[in-house]
Amino acid sequence: QVQLVHSGPEVKKPGASVTLTCKASGYNFTNYGITWVRQAPGHGPEWMGWVTAYNGNTRCSQKFHDRIVLTTDASTNTAYMELRNLTSDDTAIYYCSRPEEYGAYFDFWGQGVPVTVSS
Amino acid sequence: EIVLTQSPGTLCLSPGDSATLSCRASQSVRSSYLAWYQQRPGQPPRLLIYATSHRATDIPARFSGSGSGTDFTLTINRLEPEDFAVYYCQQYGNAPLYSFGQGTKLEIK
Repeated sequence: QVQLVHSGPEVKKPGASVTLTCKASGYNFTNYGITWVRQAPGHGPEWMGWVTAYNGNTRCSQKFHDRIVLTTDASTNTAYMELRNLTSDDTAIYYCSRPEEYGAYFDFWGQGVPVTVSS
Repeated sequence: EIVLTQSPGTLCLSPGDSATLSCRASQSVRSSYLAWYQQRPGQPPRLLIYATSHRATDIPARFSGSGSGTDFTLTINRLEPEDFAVYYCQQYGNAPLYSFGQGTKLEIK
């Protein structure tokens, strides 16, 4: 069965960077992309970016384009998201998800990883 | 930039009732590109409906979706206790590439 497994919770100081991992299993990793979505407390989900697993092409929300880096490692079926220059507004639960074949919606999600930014 | 507005913000109903949740887009959304998710506390969103009206795998028939253009609806018939959760609509294609509504919380009366 398809599984997306995150790394553990993160606590960072303002100005720092965080790198989150998402290990995929149960499907051909390079046949799909991986998207990153975050959800601040009490808010709806917010799309951050997409990475194509087979060639590393990315597309990111304008809101994050200057401080987000998305990569994949096909040898380990793992996706990575680095978010730089953190502020308290980046405190949220971060999810990786797998878009369906045509990319219109997300049929599998990781369990989510909480990131807390606090001085 | 497209905005999805969900209403009501909170809906208080009893098990056995029917629920009608609305999602209105600030620009037209292709029917193929509108989805609904359910989120229970402490869990990631779960895909319920895709392409406006198609139920995802293992989703009961009491969930249905409809709509076109800028107005979309999720209907839940004969509410079960496990249906009380937050529901989000999501669009694909208009900038930003994906966006979600702010959610409708379905509460037990």
